[in-house]
Amino acid sequence: AQSVAQPEDQVNVAEGNPLTVKCTYSVSGNPYLFWYVQYPNRGLQFLLKYITGDNLVKGSYGFEAEFNKSQTSFHLKKPSALVSDSALYFCAVRPYSGGYQKVTFGIGTKLQVIP
Amino acid sequence: KAGVTQTPRYLIKTRGQQVTLSCSPISGHRSVSWYQQTPGQGLQFLFEYFSETQRNKGNFPGRFSGRQFSNSRSEMNVSTLELGDSALYLCASSPGLAGGQSSYEQYFGPGTRLTVT
Repeated sequence: AQSVAQPEDQVNVAEGNPLTVKCTYSVSGNPYLFWYVQYPNRGLQFLLKYITGDNLVKGSYGFEAEFNKSQTSFHLKKPSALVSDSALYFCAVRPYSGGYQKVTFGIGTKLQVIP
Repeated sequence: KAGVTQTPRYLIKTRGQQVTLSCSPISGHRSVSWYQQTPGQGLQFLFEYFSETQRNKGNFPGRFSGRQFSNSRSEMNVSTLELGDSALYLCASSPGLAGGQSSYEQYFGPGTRLTVT
């Protein structure tokens, strides 16, 4: 069975500091990996994805994520946090093994950027 | 392009009743998925449809059902509502391809907030 773990319920970081939101996964087959963000009272928005190729992928709002196959991780990063980055972040995985597989989301990590 | 729309946005129902939620995907998107979001459980996958066919189904009881129409619009139905069904129900659409490509990101609607009393 596939699974996604986001080990931190909440991450606090000072504005201007780098931030990391952690994600590890477990799948059979090749993983398609995604990060989404949910601002208060709004739906989820797509940030970035890893399909294949370069392990470092860049996305919206200055975010990037690094795929590490040996550690089965896909951590979200940003060099300099903004107060407006405060939101709920979800990691998701969709295995590809010859056909459609369902998407599994992590439980979410609340990011709090402190002014 | 208009985004994913969901109706109604808010709903209050009584235990034992049934409810139907509606989702209109982004124009041209053929895949629609439904999720249940609760504070303790995160996003739980309900089902996914592509070209009117259910592609995947999550681990929910048979009280939860869905369908997709020829114009890609989708509905989900919950019968015999229970208190635990109170949640935010999210619909997401993606382009999808019949050939098996599943690498597309999903675009989410604002959700329907269902409260069961």
